[in-house]
Amino acid sequence: GNSVTQMEGPVTLSEEAFLTINCTYTATGYPSLFWYVQYPGEGLQLLLKATKADDKGSNKGFEATYRKETTSFHLEKGSVQVSDSAVYFCAPRPGNKLVFGAGTILRVKS
Amino acid sequence: DGGITQSPKYLFRKEGQNVTLSCEQNLNHDAMYWYRQDPGQGLRLIYYSQIVNDFQKGDIAEGYSVSREKKESFPLTVTSAQKNPTAFYLCASSILGQGAGYGYTFGSGTRLTVV
Repeated sequence: GNSVTQMEGPVTLSEEAFLTINCTYTATGYPSLFWYVQYPGEGLQLLLKATKADDKGSNKGFEATYRKETTSFHLEKGSVQVSDSAVYFCAPRPGNKLVFGAGTILRVKS
Repeated sequence: DGGITQSPKYLFRKEGQNVTLSCEQNLNHDAMYWYRQDPGQGLRLIYYSQIVNDFQKGDIAEGYSVSREKKESFPLTVTSAQKNPTAFYLCASSILGQGAGYGYTFGSGTRLTVV
């Protein structure tokens, strides 16, 4: 079946540190891949996406590259800010439904 | 602006009551979804609908019911049969067809508390 494995959190970083949140997936076919972000008390917002192998999605300094050979879509940011503190969800879309990972809590300290 | 609206933002339910959560979208999306999120947890799919007057159970449908009488609206009823309804409920909508890379648009959520 379809599934997603995300790095367990919480991930705690100091401001301006480098961020990586790992995501690997098992999915049928050739899914589009998404990262969503959820700030406290809010719904999920689309952060970035990639639709084919080797595509790089990017937004607000975050990046992730579609790695078909390793079925991975790791999220990276070169310098995190306190305002990046949130929960991050990796989600492939192999069909008409997204498959969500468990989410990774990111805490950034000033 | 197009979007998806959930109401109310906060809802309190007494034991034994049914309550209905509203979800409306003006994005002309075909598909709509309801998720439940518990503190520190991921999303669990309750129900989804891909067309008017049709819907399918998700992973945790017991104790919940939905209707899809209009394309724009997908209300969720939490019935008294749901024994632990306190949670954050999220509604989402999407275009169907995964080839073009469509994700979901989410509402801002309803926090339901049993009192």
